[in-house]
Amino acid sequence: DAKTTQPTSMDCAEGRAANLPCNHSTISGNEYVYWYRQIHSQGPQYIIHGLKNNETNEMASLIITEDRKSSTLILPHATLRDTAVYYCIVRVQGYSGAGSYQLTFGKGTKLSVIP
Amino acid sequence: NAGVTQTPKFQVLKTGQSMTLQCAQDMNHEYMSWYRQDPGMGLRLIHYSVGAGITDQGEVPNGYNVSRSTTEDFPLRLLSAAPSQTSVYFCASRQGGASGELFFGEGSRLTVL
Repeated sequence: DAKTTQPTSMDCAEGRAANLPCNHSTISGNEYVYWYRQIHSQGPQYIIHGLKNNETNEMASLIITEDRKSSTLILPHATLRDTAVYYCIVRVQGYSGAGSYQLTFGKGTKLSVIP
Repeated sequence: NAGVTQTPKFQVLKTGQSMTLQCAQDMNHEYMSWYRQDPGMGLRLIHYSVGAGITDQGEVPNGYNVSRSTTEDFPLRLLSAAPSQTSVYFCASRQGGASGELFFGEGSRLTVL
């Protein structure tokens, strides 16, 4: 799987949009971008994923650049409950090999939402 | 559905003791996995399984054994605990096929003295 690079930490004011960047310059054409987050001491939680089109769900939006070398997770109106570590992961989807089920988590970005 | 359930939530062991961390899921997921998380680091994959009777090693398998006799259960065994195995352990599961969404348990915090 392609390697990702994320800032170590970010701050965001409560009620403002949080924009979390991720660089994945070695991404392959069949690799998807996934975002998870981990609130302190809890198990990671899935947020969103996409291939090349922008995606939106009830939690967030995912913007992927046209060359797919980077992406941005957007939390439109950050709340204190969004304070967490956010992980950006790229992996192949649909490959039948057992290894395709693995997700490699890096160190992520620690987002602090400030009142 | 309870989702992914891990037991125990906390455990203290002495060096050389053995124990099993339990993981059960009630979503009929084919894939299950174990991760460990150490301070300041991301999650590292220990072992995983793509179905009953099938297991494979992840990034950091040494010192751990797994088995998958049923779809629901995926226990992680420490045969001779070492202080380096002090960590928080997470079990996760997902459906087979294309979906990548992993469902995680709440974690098991293990301390080896």
